[in-house]
Amino acid sequence: DGGITQSPKYLFRKEGQNVTLSCEQNLNHDAMYWYRQDPGQGLRLIYYSQIVNDFQKGDIAEGYSVSREKKESFPLTVTSAQKNPTAFYLCASRRTGTGERIGVRGIYNEQFFGPGTRLTVL
Amino acid sequence: RKEVEQDPGPFNVPEGATVAFNCTYSNSASQSFFWYRQDCRKEPKLLMSVYSSGNEDGRFTAQLNRASQYISLLIRDSKLSDSATYLCVGSYGNKLVFGAGTILRVKS
Repeated sequence: DGGITQSPKYLFRKEGQNVTLSCEQNLNHDAMYWYRQDPGQGLRLIYYSQIVNDFQKGDIAEGYSVSREKKESFPLTVTSAQKNPTAFYLCASRRTGTGERIGVRGIYNEQFFGPGTRLTVL
Repeated sequence: RKEVEQDPGPFNVPEGATVAFNCTYSNSASQSFFWYRQDCRKEPKLLMSVYSSGNEDGRFTAQLNRASQYISLLIRDSKLSDSATYLCVGSYGNKLVFGAGTILRVKS
């Protein structure tokens, strides 16, 4: 089955520790994204990558780092510099390119999400 | 002002009711819009894509009004299983901007 996996599902971290969240996809999508979600708020973009070996900062990149060495993988490291790391972290991927969708020619914009990782800092 | 704004609700409706959510956006450059459904403590799942004036899929209808910069989602014949948070999402280039979501509770 094609899809996006994230691990672990739950993660507990002590203050001052770096942790790495895993995201893997076998959808053959070029673009991948990391978001965080806090209660009562919309998803906020941390980092994204359009292609292997390239990535860009999102709206809240401070205290985070990423790598994109393989098309299938986009790990996120939450560093000790992130002041409020407790959140629900979601990874997503998007097919790039153009095509016909419901009679409208355009680019694909839909993103598909993994099950998420809940990070709690103790 | 947030780029995508939604009424947080909750909307409490009986089974079988028709319910509509509205969403406004501030950036007219948005190319397309989406409605995602998110169950409690789960990831968002794509419900509908809106690339032109609207889209319909079974009991769900989405409409886009670019002149007034709002998108609506209509759910007919509500089911208990429709209870969830509905996220309004706009696309800008390679990125999506998410509203905070509208909570729907369908009761028997």
